[in-house]
Amino acid sequence: EDQVTQSPEALRLQEGESSSLNCSYTVSGLRGLFWYRQDPGKGPEFLFTLYSAGEEKEKERLKATLTKKESFLHITAPKPEDSATYLCAVQAYGGSQGNLIFGKGTKLSVKP
Amino acid sequence: GAVVSQHPSWVICKSGTSVKIECRSLDFQATTMFWYRQFPKQSLMLMATSNEGSKATYEQGVEKDKFLINHASLTLSTLTVTSAHPEDSSFYICSARPDAASTDTQYFGPGTRLTVL
Repeated sequence: EDQVTQSPEALRLQEGESSSLNCSYTVSGLRGLFWYRQDPGKGPEFLFTLYSAGEEKEKERLKATLTKKESFLHITAPKPEDSATYLCAVQAYGGSQGNLIFGKGTKLSVKP
Repeated sequence: GAVVSQHPSWVICKSGTSVKIECRSLDFQATTMFWYRQFPKQSLMLMATSNEGSKATYEQGVEKDKFLINHASLTLSTLTVTSAHPEDSSFYICSARPDAASTDTQYFGPGTRLTVL
């Protein structure tokens, strides 16, 4: 069964304290891995798409990496405005079209 | 670019009534749109895939007669919750996949909070 596990469930950081969020996945064949940011009461905001092991993408203080079993979202020198829930989702080959399997997310809090 | 809107952002209705939620892709065309449901502190669960010009595909356990989906154009999909009951109260989020894009990335709307009294 295709599955996505994110850790930790919650992460508290001081402003400027860099860290990483983990997304472990089990799929029959990975078509794509997606990172989203979700603020309370809002829809997910697209961050990155990764397709193959070794791929890396960056955007401001965020960097996403991908291996054959997991993905990391690295946050460098975070600011309070980076506080949100970060969602990881995978799309597998052979699944119903466009079906994204989401993890439960990591709730990040950055204190000034 | 890649903006998706939803209307309304929140709605309160009485038990037994029907509620329609609109999902629009504002700056791109989308043959395929998706409807998700999210309960508090839970992740998103796909309810159905909406295809312009054809019937929606529902995930296992989702009642197609209760959650009616109409994908009337390449920029509009609607979800109607029929005969709503308190257990239907949830956060409903749509997404759309641009036809012109070379990736499978889905872009999400801001969500609609439904409360059934």
